[in-house]
Amino acid sequence: NFMLTQPHSVSESPGKTVTISCTGSSGSIASNYVQWYQQRPGSAPTTVIYEDNQRPSGVPDRFSGSIDRSSNSASLTISGLKAEDEADYYCQSYDATNRAVFGGGTQLTVL
Amino acid sequence: EVQLVESGGGLVQPGGSLRLSCAASGFTFSTNWMHWVRQAPGKGLVWVSRINSDGRSTNYADSVKGRFTISRDNAKNTVYLQMNSLSAEDTAVYYCATLCTSASFCWGQGTLVIVSS
Repeated sequence: NFMLTQPHSVSESPGKTVTISCTGSSGSIASNYVQWYQQRPGSAPTTVIYEDNQRPSGVPDRFSGSIDRSSNSASLTISGLKAEDEADYYCQSYDATNRAVFGGGTQLTVL
Repeated sequence: EVQLVESGGGLVQPGGSLRLSCAASGFTFSTNWMHWVRQAPGKGLVWVSRINSDGRSTNYADSVKGRFTISRDNAKNTVYLQMNSLSAEDTAVYYCATLCTSASFCWGQGTLVIVSS
């Protein structure tokens, strides 16, 4: 079964840059689009990156996404960290049968 | 604007049943696949099920196959999740979702299901 692996937690100081990785278990992560969702406590997820590197309207350009074929991973980079960025972040893609697969989530702490 | 409003969650005893509903608006419901995703307390997001636009094709996660049934009523813009033989492992917030881009989901606010005696 296709799986996506994320670090359990990351932390960084305000104003700095943080990168969250999402590694595919098999096949090529580039075969299907990767999305990133932000989830604050008690709220539903919201999209911060879709189709690998696209930002929905309203998401600041401090958020960016990329794919690294050599490591079979996707990354979410947040620059100029703000306290409001503190949340859980989930990557999501699709398996060979086109079913949605989510990473385990990464808790971002802004120190 | 896409709106998804789930209902039907609550407390149910182990072995019991529950039917969740999701009322959709703001998009052409009859042309969209619909999904259910759940999140156990303190845990991550897990895809549960999906149904195609006319309701003829459905898929399930292995953990719920044979116990859960997804269906839809395009005349009512509503998707359902019938959950049978519930166990404590099914305790979660259940989100209704649909694709808002070619690949990313829009979400409802979720409905909490607690399986406990």
